[in-house]
Amino acid sequence: AQTVTQSQPEMSVQEAETVTLSCTYDTSESDYYLFWYKQPPSRQMILVIRQEAYKQQNATENRFSVNFQKAAKSFSLKISDSQLGDAAMYFCAYKGGSEKLVFGKGMKLTVNP
Amino acid sequence: GAGVSQTPSNKVTEKGKYVELRCDPISGHTALYWYRQSLGQGPEFLIYFQGTGAADDSGLPNDRFFAVRPEGSVSTLKIQRTERGDSAVYLCASTDWVGSGYTFGSGTRLTVV
Repeated sequence: AQTVTQSQPEMSVQEAETVTLSCTYDTSESDYYLFWYKQPPSRQMILVIRQEAYKQQNATENRFSVNFQKAAKSFSLKISDSQLGDAAMYFCAYKGGSEKLVFGKGMKLTVNP
Repeated sequence: GAGVSQTPSNKVTEKGKYVELRCDPISGHTALYWYRQSLGQGPEFLIYFQGTGAADDSGLPNDRFFAVRPEGSVSTLKIQRTERGDSAVYLCASTDWVGSGYTFGSGTRLTVV
């Protein structure tokens, strides 16, 4: 079974600085999707960025970018120019051949003014 | 609708009672998912619908849990004889294509007392 590991339960960053959230996963599949979701106190999971495994180019969405290392099964999220509104729980998720998303345990990001 | 709507937002019930949780997906999304998120954990898959049928219910923890989607739109998650261990946030998500990501609702926080 696939697993997703987020080894850092909490991180903090100063406003306007850059922070990197780590995620590793375990799978024997070659085709899959990886996602980062943000969950503020409102509970809604908000899609931050997604990566298709067959694409070698790292995905970027404005201030958010990923470092996808397929061989190492690593999928880290970089947040540049951190803003107070970035404070939330962040979840890494995997989707392979089955329809289910497999989530990590999450990481709490605090942004200090 | 514009987003995934879940009702009620919060539900408190007594141990042994029956509860229904409702999910109204984005119009036109054929795929619908239920997840359960316990405190301090990432969401865990419960069931997936493609249209009206449950294509994968492997995540349902036992036969007290059941879900339906009779017209291929709104879905109801039903829990019989609730137990304190069922307390969690129940999230619903829908999508038209996995490559575009999943849109989540704000969840129902179920508390069994």
